[in-house]
Amino acid sequence: GAVVSQHPSRVICKSGTSVKIECRSLDFQATTMFWYRQFPKQSLMLMATSNEGSKATYEQGVEKDKFLINHASLTLSTLTVTSAHPEDSSFYICSARVPRWVNEQFFGPGTRLTVL
Amino acid sequence: AQRVTQPEKLLSVFKGAPVELKCNYSYSGSPELFWYVQYSRQRLQLLLRHISRESIKGFTADLNKGETSFHLKKPFAQEEDSAMYYCALSTQGAQKLVFGQGTRLTINP
Repeated sequence: GAVVSQHPSRVICKSGTSVKIECRSLDFQATTMFWYRQFPKQSLMLMATSNEGSKATYEQGVEKDKFLINHASLTLSTLTVTSAHPEDSSFYICSARVPRWVNEQFFGPGTRLTVL
Repeated sequence: AQRVTQPEKLLSVFKGAPVELKCNYSYSGSPELFWYVQYSRQRLQLLLRHISRESIKGFTADLNKGETSFHLKKPFAQEEDSAMYYCALSTQGAQKLVFGQGTRLTINP
């Protein structure tokens, strides 16, 4: 159990366009999901915490108007990179917290975004 | 602020040798510590957590509050242990994880 999926697995877009990445919990309800960014050969950096039915909490330095997060249901959170630029190219990973296993997160496979 | 430090970016040992991946943290309260592993082309997955006090795949880790460390150990490394290992910390009442920089472990045959 506790499987998290992401879609798409990789996306290439032109500079200035917006890209939406979906994160789904397949076999459990996730009241809290997290979005991370990982640069090559670096660690995961938390971007924001997404709570179902409420506004996301962004980490310091993350532009909330650029990285729009929506958590409209207990199984789906989306990250939209608006007006993407080459510096937004990165690996984006989501995770979901299983309520009965406090503090344990299950991770999605990640989405590779390349902005040309 | 909370911080997790993994001093070794790369660690290479021979099969059958003991392995220790170091992790130090800074947090003034009572942390919850985790080790996550990422095998080649797979997603990040939980290896173990300090409150469970269990051994997973032969790995153990003990929380040493005096030294603020949570080193990961295995007495006899196996080739399938080659992976990226991340130490992570969660603070009291917080939901989020703070990750260390990761250590790439390579087990040589």
